[in-house]
Amino acid sequence: DAKTTQPPSMDCAEGRAANLPCNHSTISGNEYVYWYRQIHSQGPQYIIHGLKNNETNEMASLIITEDRKSSTLILPHATLRDTAVYYCIVRVTSNSNSGYALNFGKGTSLLVTP
Amino acid sequence: DSGVTQTPKHLITATGQRVTLRCSPRSGDLSVYWYQQSLDQGLQFLIQYYNGEERAKGNILERFSAQQFPDLHSELNLSSLELGDSALYFCASSHRDRGEAFFGQGTRLTVV
Repeated sequence: DAKTTQPPSMDCAEGRAANLPCNHSTISGNEYVYWYRQIHSQGPQYIIHGLKNNETNEMASLIITEDRKSSTLILPHATLRDTAVYYCIVRVTSNSNSGYALNFGKGTSLLVTP
Repeated sequence: DSGVTQTPKHLITATGQRVTLRCSPRSGDLSVYWYQQSLDQGLQFLIQYYNGEERAKGNILERFSAQQFPDLHSELNLSSLELGDSALYFCASSHRDRGEAFFGQGTRLTVV
């Protein structure tokens, strides 16, 4: 799996958009970008994933650059409950039924302040 | 609620002892993954089972073992425990290979 680079920490004011960057310059054509977050000591939570098109769901938006070497997770209106460690993970999604383990790096610790 | 259930939530035991952590995956999920999270190591993948068979191994110590039963629940056995084994242990499950893994709330193991 391609390696990812994320800033260790970021701050965001409540109500503002939080833009979390991720660099994955060695990504391969068949590798997806996944985002998870972990609120203090809870189990990690899936947020969103994409291959090359931008994606949006009820939690966030994922913007992937055209060359796919970087991406940005956007939380449009951050709340205090969004304070967490955010992990950007690049991995292959195969046609296998068995799934594939995730390799978590150190992630970005996002602090949302009042 | 992710649908993944882990028991117990907390466990305190002495060095040299053996413990068993239990995980019930989401209904219908055939894959179960175990992760360890300690303060200085982050989230480390230990082992994956798929429909009862071991599918992938990560950084799992020989003192640790796991299995997945016919009803798809899984157990992680930790033996000859050391102080350094104190950590949060998470179980996750997934349906096929859709990428989204769902994590339980973890078991906090403290070895004293």
